[in-house]
Amino acid sequence: EADIYQTPRYLVIGTGKKITLECSQTMGHDKMYWYQQDPGMELHLIHYSYGVNSTEKGDLSSESTVSRIRTEHFPLTLESARPSHTSQYLCASSEWGLLSSYEQYFGPGTRLTVT
Amino acid sequence: GENVEQHPSTLSVQEGDSAVIKCTYSDSASNYFPWYKQELGKRPQLIIDIRSNVGEKKDQRIAVTLNKTAKHFSLHITETQPEDSAVYFCAAGGPGQGGKLIFGQGTELSVKP
Repeated sequence: EADIYQTPRYLVIGTGKKITLECSQTMGHDKMYWYQQDPGMELHLIHYSYGVNSTEKGDLSSESTVSRIRTEHFPLTLESARPSHTSQYLCASSEWGLLSSYEQYFGPGTRLTVT
Repeated sequence: GENVEQHPSTLSVQEGDSAVIKCTYSDSASNYFPWYKQELGKRPQLIIDIRSNVGEKKDQRIAVTLNKTAKHFSLHITETQPEDSAVYFCAAGGPGQGGKLIFGQGTELSVKP
């Protein structure tokens, strides 16, 4: 079934650790996004990609980095986690074009806690 | 760039009443306006969307209206049910934003039985 997957779903980690949040989609979408969201609060775009080898920073400044080596994979990395990074991270993908639905499909999210 | 304002931030209604959530946007080039519902602990899911060439769209108990001149759009939920309780997000986007969606701040809807 075509879907968007995120792992891990929950992560508790100590300050200073390097972490990578995984995101994969089987929808064949070109565009992928990372959002940061505190529970029930506004969605903040932190990174997006229009395709392989294309990445851009979003509207909210983030210390994280992303890569897009394969169409279906868009991992997010924090080199040194800090308590201020505690949040939920949502990955999304979409197709965009004249005949596309424009809809963004979201993954289930990774809830990160940095102690 | 695009800016989306959403009101109210919280809304409480009795079961069976109607609920209306309003959004305004700033970029006249935006041409796609989706609404997402996010239940507690779950991912946002699209419930209805509208494009700028349409003024109104309806799907059972939910409807969206768009006023391009005033640059605002609204979500209408009729005959609300407890399972409608969630956070609702509006968004605006289009080729001018390169495929990105700009989200509103969210509205927490509570439907009391």
